[in-house]
Amino acid sequence: AQSVTQLDSQVPVFEEAPVELRCNYSSSVSVYLFWYVQYPNQGLQLLLKYLSGSTLVESINGFEAEFNKSQTSFHLRKPSVHISDTAEYFCAVNSGGSNYKLTFGKGTLLTVNP
Amino acid sequence: DAGVTQSPTHLIKTRGQHVTLRCSPISGHKSVSWYQQVLGQGPQFIFQYYEKEERGRGNFPDRFSARQFPNYSSELNVNALLLGDSALYLCASSLGSWGTDTQYFGPGTRLTVL
Repeated sequence: AQSVTQLDSQVPVFEEAPVELRCNYSSSVSVYLFWYVQYPNQGLQLLLKYLSGSTLVESINGFEAEFNKSQTSFHLRKPSVHISDTAEYFCAVNSGGSNYKLTFGKGTLLTVNP
Repeated sequence: DAGVTQSPTHLIKTRGQHVTLRCSPISGHKSVSWYQQVLGQGPQFIFQYYEKEERGRGNFPDRFSARQFPNYSSELNVNALLLGDSALYLCASSLGSWGTDTQYFGPGTRLTVL
C-alpha cells in the first residue's frame, strides 16, 4: 500500500520569502511523485512530477522539488514566493506500472501575505 | 485544446436521491479516473476506466458506479445519496493507464446532499 504525509496543513509566509512544503511517502515499490496545486474553487493543476532520472525537478513558475529515496521525501521549494502563489498544494504518489491510482496527501494551504 | 470538462458545475440533492456526473476527457486521452475530494482533504480515488473497461476501483461502496462511452467520455453515478457524499467530484484524463501517464484534472462538480 502507498501513502502520503504532508507534514504541514498550513504555511503562512510573507511575499518574497522562501518556502518549503514537506511531503513524505511510503511505498513498497518504486514510485512516481507529483505536486498538484489547487486554487480556490478550481480543480487540480499539475505543478511538477518526478518519474525517473534527475532527482531535482522544476516547474515553469519557479517551484522545484527533490526526490530523496533514502528519506522517502519529495519536498517542494520556492526561493521567493508571490501573492499569486496562495493556494492549496497536494503531494501525490503512484507506484507505477499498471497501477494508475494516485494517492494524495491531505494538502498544505500556502498563504502568501504582503 | 480544451481541457477536461465536467458537468454540472454544482448540484444540490437530497438524501436517498440518485445523481449522475459527466466528464469529457482531453482529446486523444483514452483513460478517465474519478476522485472524491471532501472538504479539507486530498482527493480519494474512486474509479479508473481505460478503453471503456474498468481498470480499478477504490474503497467506495457499490452505490458508486461509472462507465465510459465509445467517445471516451464518462459518467459517475451515485445511488441512495448520503449526507457524507457531499464533496467535490474530480475527473482526470490521461493518455493511457500507466503510472507514468500524467493525469489532468477537470474543474470538478460540487455535490451538496441535504
